[in-house]
Amino acid sequence: DVKVTQSSRYLVKRTGEKVFLECVQDMDHENMFWYRQDPGLGLRLIYFSYDVKMKEKGDIPEGYSVSREKKERFSLILESASTNQTSMYLCASSPRATRAYFGPGTRLTVL
Amino acid sequence: TQLLEQSPQFLSIQEGENLTVYCNSSSVFSSLQWYRQEPGEGPVLLVTVVTGGEVKKLKRLTFQFGDARKDSSLHITAAQPGDTGLYLCAGVNNAGNMLTFGGGTRLMVKP
Repeated sequence: DVKVTQSSRYLVKRTGEKVFLECVQDMDHENMFWYRQDPGLGLRLIYFSYDVKMKEKGDIPEGYSVSREKKERFSLILESASTNQTSMYLCASSPRATRAYFGPGTRLTVL
Repeated sequence: TQLLEQSPQFLSIQEGENLTVYCNSSSVFSSLQWYRQEPGEGPVLLVTVVTGGEVKKLKRLTFQFGDARKDSSLHITAAQPGDTGLYLCAGVNNAGNMLTFGGGTRLMVKP
């Protein structure tokens, strides 16, 4: 079974802190994605990566950056967390966009 | 940005009832996927439809892809409490490297 793991299930940070969300997949998938999920807005794509060191902006990249130094790991970085970044963050991987395998999500609260 | 609109946003029904959920777009997708998400978990793929007009059945769930590949529907027959969850449709772009998600339909089936 494909496994996508995220570093934390719950995270509480203060405004202005730098936040790292880590995602690891064990199936050698080329594509990895970061989404945020908010009630009524569905999943919105923040960034995706189709190869090591490659990244593409999604629909809502502002306030976020990403890093993909190894194929299995895709990190989402909030340089200076703000309260409007309180959300559920979901990482996914796929061999192509044939299907997405999701991690369990990280619920981030920014106070 | 390709947009997908799902309707209804919320649906609360009694066990045994039938229901249909819709996923509409003005854009053409190479394929469309349906996911279900339970609380505290990431979305899990239910089905992928690829060909315009395609119909796929998964036990009591029937998925249809519109002839023009712009819309899709999910019909559940004789809903059960175990069907409760968030249903998400996702369109695959023509390059095959990006998924765009709809806002989701939150279904509650009461016993």
